[in-house]
Amino acid sequence: GENVEQHPSTLSVQEGDSAVIKCTYSDSASNYFPWYKQELGKRPQLIIDIRSNVGEKKDQRIAVTLNKTAKHFSLHITETQPEDSAVYFCAASVNSGYALNFGKGTSLLVTP
Amino acid sequence: GAVVSQHPSWVICKSGTSVKIECRSLDFQATTMFWYRQFPKQSLMLMATSNEGSKATYEQGVEKDKFLINHASLTLSTLTVTSAHPEDSSFYICSARDVTSGGKEQFFGPGTRLTVL
Repeated sequence: GENVEQHPSTLSVQEGDSAVIKCTYSDSASNYFPWYKQELGKRPQLIIDIRSNVGEKKDQRIAVTLNKTAKHFSLHITETQPEDSAVYFCAASVNSGYALNFGKGTSLLVTP
Repeated sequence: GAVVSQHPSWVICKSGTSVKIECRSLDFQATTMFWYRQFPKQSLMLMATSNEGSKATYEQGVEKDKFLINHASLTLSTLTVTSAHPEDSSFYICSARDVTSGGKEQFFGPGTRLTVL
């Protein structure tokens, strides 16, 4: 089955700096890669996703890149703000409506 | 956007009792719902895939006789934790596919925190 590795497990940055979280996956059949933000005790919220036919996608301060050959994808957050502090999960699946295989999560702390 | 609800949001029960958790898609039909479990400071782990009108598909290591799943309608799936033990204490989250969008979107419920004493 699919195995998703995520690094780092914790990340601390100063407000205004950039944050990068990286994930690798094992199943070459995976073609949908979402990123979720989860605040303590709440549901995961989709922040951005990318499909395998695209190499990069950007939405304001958030961007995701995908290297399908190397089977890795990354989340980039620019101009970080304290409200960006949360746990971020990457995931992979065969299609967007299928079960998601999650990475272990990255706890991001943005200090003022 | 599509809304998925869960009930209850939290529950405390005694060891050995059963607990039922409901997952509802409020404004769309969901032929497939997924049940995940999340232990403190850990990731979401898929437990089972619930298909309307058929048996659920369980992930390896998940006991189907302990975690009973019923998906009787296009808007409701239930997870029953039978003979609960303290090690079953966890955050249970469901997600649902929106059929009307061609199943391209998956929406998460708010989760149910189960504490077994």
